[in-house]
Amino acid sequence: DARVTQTPRHKVTEMGQEVTMRCQPILGHNTVFWYRQTMMQGLELLAYFRNRAPLDDSGMPKDRFSAEMPDATLATLKIQPSEPRDSAVYFCASGRRYEQYFGPGTRLTVT
Amino acid sequence: GIQVEQSPPDLILQEGANSTLRCNFSDSVNNLQWFHQNPWGQLINLFYIPSGTKQNGRLSATTVATERYSLLYISSSQTTDSGVYFCAVEGPGGSEKLVFGKGTKLTVNP
Repeated sequence: DARVTQTPRHKVTEMGQEVTMRCQPILGHNTVFWYRQTMMQGLELLAYFRNRAPLDDSGMPKDRFSAEMPDATLATLKIQPSEPRDSAVYFCASGRRYEQYFGPGTRLTVT
Repeated sequence: GIQVEQSPPDLILQEGANSTLRCNFSDSVNNLQWFHQNPWGQLINLFYIPSGTKQNGRLSATTVATERYSLLYISSSQTTDSGVYFCAVEGPGGSEKLVFGKGTKLTVNP
């Protein structure tokens, strides 16, 4: 049963610290997406990749967020420095032409 | 960009009841998916349905692309159906970017 995996599942950190979230997409999927979910904004697309190339990161605050795919089995989302307003659930999803499958999410709390 | 509106925002049912959730969108779509977010936060694919009708057990979905809406039907609801149902669409252009509606929160009481 192929699934998207994400680590860590929960992260509590202090303001100013670096946060790295990791995602392993489903083998064979060529698109990877990062979303953020908050009560106020709902589900927002932050960035996405196709065949490991970044296609769109317009939803991401560029000064503190960065997203990479060092290889086909790993996508990372980094926040440096983190701020309390970054507290949210961050989802990774992967797909292969149209359908997207979501990981369990990383719940981030920045104090 | 494309707009997605879901209704109703909240729905409370007794176990065994049927329900219909609606998703309206403002432009033609290449992709439309329905997701269920369970009480533990997991987003689960229900249907990929840019047009036509599909059924999976007690759930079925219909998209009328020419009229820019999709419906999700839940029959004989169970408490495990509780959660938030999201409609997400990809507008024209082939970007593969999904835009999510705000969801319908369903509570099924025993």
